[in-house]
Amino acid sequence: DIVMTQSPDSLAVSLGERATINCKSSQSVLYSSNNKNFLAWYQQRPGQPPKLLIYWASTRESGVPDRFSGSGSGTDFTLTISSLQAEDVAVYYCQQYYSTPLTFGGGTKVEIK
Amino acid sequence: QVQLQQSGPGLVKPSQTLSLTCAISGDSVSSNSGAWNWIRQSPSRGLEWLGRTYYRSKWFSDYSLSVKSRITINPDTSKNQFSLQLSSVTPEDTAVYYCARSSTVCTRGNCHTYWYFDLWGRGTLVTVSS
Repeated sequence: DIVMTQSPDSLAVSLGERATINCKSSQSVLYSSNNKNFLAWYQQRPGQPPKLLIYWASTRESGVPDRFSGSGSGTDFTLTISSLQAEDVAVYYCQQYYSTPLTFGGGTKVEIK
Repeated sequence: QVQLQQSGPGLVKPSQTLSLTCAISGDSVSSNSGAWNWIRQSPSRGLEWLGRTYYRSKWFSDYSLSVKSRITINPDTSKNQFSLQLSSVTPEDTAVYYCARSSTVCTRGNCHTYWYFDLWGRGTLVTVSS
């Protein structure tokens, strides 16, 4: 199984400041035949299901604000919120879809400082 | 607008079978472009993918090894829904259960299903307790 490890477990950021979340996979999720990273990011607000933010490591889902961006390749990935808004308080998860079983990171809780 | 509506009991006794249903509106369980998953979430196990079913000229289902001996995911084309059955449950199976869709992307006539989850049900808290 591919193990997904996120850091930090939680972070507190001032409104308007940058939040950075890291995700590391135990093996590469870069598929050589199409040069794509099989990595997605989700946002989960309290009491709600996860919501897809980013796939292919850096492609924003339709309707996701452009303050959310994803980067990285191979085994190391980053989700950045460029200017934190109050509605961004949530837990964020990475997920690999390179192979089954599909696996998620443990989550990073983002709060307002 | 595609929606997934979950239903099923919130309390199951140990050793019994957990059964949930996910009704699809705005899409078809038997389309060649959708694929249908069950995922659960608990404080101890986090988000855990359980399995999926999808139709690509014939039906496919596959499961996580962690539950493979106990799980069945079945489509119901007459009701446009799919179901989860998890047998011999223990308190460790207490979790919020979600159904979720994965979609197929076609580029220049080549179509592939990519296993991220672009649509989720609202979740059902299932407690295993006597």
